[in-house]
Amino acid sequence: DIQMTQSPSSLSASVGDRVTITCRASQGIRNDLGWFQQKPGKAPKRLIYAATTLQSGVPSRFSGSRSGTEFTLTISSLQPEDFATYYCLQHNTYPFTFGPGTKVDIK
Amino acid sequence: EVQLLESGGDLVQPGGSLRLSCAGFGFTFSSYAMTWVRQAPGKGLEWVSAIVASGGSTYYADSVNGRFTISRDNSKNTLYLQMHYLRAEDTAVYYCAMGLWGDYWGQGTLVTVSP
Repeated sequence: DIQMTQSPSSLSASVGDRVTITCRASQGIRNDLGWFQQKPGKAPKRLIYAATTLQSGVPSRFSGSRSGTEFTLTISSLQPEDFATYYCLQHNTYPFTFGPGTKVDIK
Repeated sequence: EVQLLESGGDLVQPGGSLRLSCAGFGFTFSSYAMTWVRQAPGKGLEWVSAIVASGGSTYYADSVNGRFTISRDNSKNTLYLQMHYLRAEDTAVYYCAMGLWGDYWGQGTLVTVSP
């Protein structure tokens, strides 16, 4: 199975900060990766698909990039509604696998 | 507007069985693969199973393979997850999602496995 590691596991940031979250795949997955945001008690919501494509309706402060097997989610200017847990999902090889998550909270 | 409504979650004893359902609205259900994802209390997301649009191919996580069966009825716009030999570690909120890439998600249904 493909293992997804995610870093950091948590971070504290202030409104307006630039935030970067990284997922690394244990083997090549091309661009077959999505990013999800989950708020407490709510279902996850997809932000990015195909590693770099912004989901319709998602603010442009969110962006995704890829370098080899390393994938990055960047929030250019953190807003109050962005405090949440973020997950990556590889959908290249079955069984698909999520990263363990990154919790973003208020500094 | 895409809507996914899960149902069937319940309290069940270890070794028991349960069937979850997910009704899809606002999209052409028969054209999309569908996925189940679960989240144990206080834990991260775990991909569980997926089924292609026709129902002809199914895929499972190692943790549920041989115990869970995913299926769909495109005439009823409904996705199912039949769960057998349930264990305490299957306790989770179960979400259905549209597509293989998690395009849209339902609100989830809680399965509790406990004596």
